[in-house]
Amino acid sequence: SQTIHQWPATLVQPVGSPLSLECTVEGTSNPNLYWYRQAAGRGLQLLFYSVGIGQISSEVPQNLSASRPQDRQFILSSKKLLLSDSGFYLCAWSVAGQERFYGYTFGSGTRLTVV
Amino acid sequence: GDSVTQMEGPVTLSEEAFLTINCTYTATGYPSLFWYVQYPGEGLQLLLKATKADDKGSNKGFEATYRKETTSFHLEKGSVQVSDSAVYFCALVRGIQGAQKLVFGQGTRLTINP
Repeated sequence: SQTIHQWPATLVQPVGSPLSLECTVEGTSNPNLYWYRQAAGRGLQLLFYSVGIGQISSEVPQNLSASRPQDRQFILSSKKLLLSDSGFYLCAWSVAGQERFYGYTFGSGTRLTVV
Repeated sequence: GDSVTQMEGPVTLSEEAFLTINCTYTATGYPSLFWYVQYPGEGLQLLLKATKADDKGSNKGFEATYRKETTSFHLEKGSVQVSDSAVYFCALVRGIQGAQKLVFGQGTRLTINP
């Protein structure tokens, strides 16, 4: 069966420090991968998505970047965190190439607090 | 552009009450529609989905019917339980360059009191 792992679960970082959040998927190959952010009291915003190794698309301009060094690994990074980067970050995957889309499977999320 | 609007929360009900959470969408064509649920401190879980007009999605006693005439996908449950307390998100899907983007509503927080 397919599983998705996301870590760390919580993180408190000072302003200006770097960030690296990791997400891995098991039990499938060539998934589509996604990073979403959920700011406090707000909905979910798509940040990045990837359809293959090294292929990253950004939905919104921001202080963050993403990378996909391996087929089932998706990393969210920042060189210098801002207070506004605080939020709940969710990784998700979906099966690529389906004629019909059946939804995402989400990881358990990382709660990031920038202080 | 595509958007999803949900009824504002929080919604507070007593156990065994009837639940409706309204969801309407704006989109070109007829995208697949979804309800996701987020329990405290966790990621989102798919609750149910509908892929075409008049489809009814159902799971765990929850139901939602895809109504193209009213562009709606309201979530209902006949008798809620304390364990249903969570945040519920309505969403539609859009294809984006080989991937699929879920466009979410703002979420509705539901609290069920015993």
